[in-house]
Amino acid sequence: KQEVTQIPAALSVPEGENLVLNCSFTDSAIYNLQWFRQDPGKGLTSLLLIQSSQREQTSGRLNASLDKSSGRSTLYIAASQPGDSATYLCAVRSSGGSNYKLTFGKGTLLTVNP
Amino acid sequence: SQTIHQWPATLVQPVGSPLSLECTVEGTSNPNLYWYRQAAGRGLQLLFYSVGIGQISSEVPQNLSASRPQDRQFILSSKKLLLSDSGFYLCAWSVSWGLGETQYFGPGTRLLVL
Repeated sequence: KQEVTQIPAALSVPEGENLVLNCSFTDSAIYNLQWFRQDPGKGLTSLLLIQSSQREQTSGRLNASLDKSSGRSTLYIAASQPGDSATYLCAVRSSGGSNYKLTFGKGTLLTVNP
Repeated sequence: SQTIHQWPATLVQPVGSPLSLECTVEGTSNPNLYWYRQAAGRGLQLLFYSVGIGQISSEVPQNLSASRPQDRQFILSSKKLLLSDSGFYLCAWSVSWGLGETQYFGPGTRLLVL
């Protein structure tokens, strides 16, 4: 059974700092890994999707890396801004069994202080 | 462009009352549809998914049910709500289960059962 863990559970940083969010998963047989953003009381917005054959994806100030063999991914946010404050969720799509299914971590609550 | 709607946005219901949450998708045909629940302190849990009209698969045993009466409509129901049904319910859609496929989430419905 796939399990996804995100560390830290919460993070508070001053504006302008670079930061890293971590995600680990127990079963390396995956199709892809996604990072989502969730604002309080809102739905999820997809930020980056990394396919199993890829090592990283970039979008603006965001860079996500994937090390499938070790079961790890990181989300790097450069020059953080108060508008980046949100919960960041990592999800993996496993390639065996129920491959329609996304398994989510519990998220990292990020607060960027002005 | 595709959009996904959920209603109501917020709902307060007494224990034992019925439930009906609706989700509709615009701008795409034959989407895969999903219902998730997000409870406090827990990750997103997949409740149901559907690959077509009348085709529903359940992920976890519970007192909830789902129906898909039309191609782009997905309904979550309960005959008698329990306190443990409180949470944030998210509907999502996707086009296919390909390697690069992502899920797109609705704005969510916050349910409080008293």
